[in-house]
Amino acid sequence: DGGITQSPKYLFRKEGQNVTLSCEQNLNHDAMYWYRQDPGQGLRLIYYSQIVNDFQKGDIAEGYSVSREKKESFPLTVTSAQKNPTAFYLCASSIWNTEAFFGQGTRLTVV
Amino acid sequence: GQQVMQIPQYQHVQEGEDFTTYCNSSTTLSNIQWYKQRPGGHPVFLIQLVKSGEVKKQKRLTFQFGEAKKNSSLHITATQTTDVGTYFCAGLVGPGNTGKLIFGQGTTLQVKP
Repeated sequence: DGGITQSPKYLFRKEGQNVTLSCEQNLNHDAMYWYRQDPGQGLRLIYYSQIVNDFQKGDIAEGYSVSREKKESFPLTVTSAQKNPTAFYLCASSIWNTEAFFGQGTRLTVV
Repeated sequence: GQQVMQIPQYQHVQEGEDFTTYCNSSTTLSNIQWYKQRPGGHPVFLIQLVKSGEVKKQKRLTFQFGEAKKNSSLHITATQTTDVGTYFCAGLVGPGNTGKLIFGQGTTLQVKP
C-alpha cells in the first residue's frame, strides 16, 4: 500500500527532553511538510522540504529541527527549546504544487 | 508575511441548510486547494482550483476561485450530518518551485440533525 506513515501515534515527553517524530512516505513525492495543529486551530507550517538534503523554515520553526537525508523520510525533532510543544503534529507529502497527502498524525504531550 | 485567511471560524447549521466558507490570500496564488478534516482525523484533499474564475462541483459542494486568484469559496448545499468537520483552504505561496503550502485557519462546521 502506498502512503505516508507517522509514528508514534501518541508520544509523551518529559520537560527538557528532545523527541523525534517519524514520517515516512513511499509515494515517491519530492515535497514533504511538517505542520503543528493546536486544539481548535489551523495548521501552522514548521518546516518543509522540496528536495533531498534541502529544507526550509516555515512560520514556526523555532524549537524544532528536521533532516531530509532520504527522499522517503522527513523526521522532526522537537527540542527542549520549544516552550509549548504539546500539540498534534501532521506530516504531509506531495508532488510539488499538487494535492498533499497527510499522515495520521502524532499527538505529543509534555508531562 | 504572506497569509491565507479563512472565515468564519465556526458555523452551526440545521441539517438541510446551506453552508459557505471563504478564503482570502494577501498575495496571488498559483492555485487553491481545499481539505476536510473530520474530528480526530487528518486533513483529506477535496479539490484543487487553478484557473482564474474557475468553478468546480462535487455533488453538493461547489468550489470557486476568484478572478484575481486571491480568494476562494466552498459552498455546501443542503448540509448533511456527514458534512461535519473542519474545512481548510490552502495555497502555495512563494516563488517558483520553492513555495510553501500555507493553510487557512479552517472553518469548523457543526450540523444539527
